[in-house]
Amino acid sequence: EVQLVESGGGLVQTGGSLRLSCAASGFTFTNYWMSWVRQAPGKGLEWVAYIKQDGSQTYYVDSVKGRFTISRDNAKNSLYLQMNSLTAEDTAVYYCARGSIGAWGQGALVTVSS
Amino acid sequence: EIVLTQSPATLSLSPGERATLSCRTSQSISSNLAWHQQKPGQPPRLLIFHASNRATGIPARFSGSGSGTDFTLTISSLEPGDFAVYYCQHDSTWPYTFGQGTKLEIK
Repeated sequence: EVQLVESGGGLVQTGGSLRLSCAASGFTFTNYWMSWVRQAPGKGLEWVAYIKQDGSQTYYVDSVKGRFTISRDNAKNSLYLQMNSLTAEDTAVYYCARGSIGAWGQGALVTVSS
Repeated sequence: EIVLTQSPATLSLSPGERATLSCRTSQSISSNLAWHQQKPGQPPRLLIFHASNRATGIPARFSGSGSGTDFTLTISSLEPGDFAVYYCQHDSTWPYTFGQGTKLEIK
């Protein structure tokens, strides 16, 4: 069974940093691109970042470019999202997703407050 | 950026009825379209990928069709657990984007 378990969410002040982690199991992690997708409270879904199997290619939505960094550790079957210079607009549930179309983790809530 | 427009925004139907949800894209995406279902407080769940392929464990009452710029998700006979928000999403070219969602509610 595919499992994606996010961790590292929480409350952070405006301008602060946070690192999300996603532990993957139940599939061959190195076969898949991996993604982070977010959902602001009461809003729709937004694809945030995307990383190739070996980490050699990454893509970001414009709103997070230069602030967020997606990375992975294939030896640990883990995906990460380093988030810097956070603003209130980054408040959301962040989902780890396999590939470009899911499966999905349960999500980690990130709240940015002044 | 490819824009996905879903219609209707809200669909009110009764259990047993047929639901037809539409997703239109601002440019052709071939068949690079997925549908996801999301219930309150839960993560999305993949229903359909590559426009018409059901994901593992998805009942046959869910079907997807379309290519190019016009896509449809059909639920042949609604069950109580099908009332949720449905999102279409493309993975044609970066940035991948979602539609704004269709809320399927009980009439």
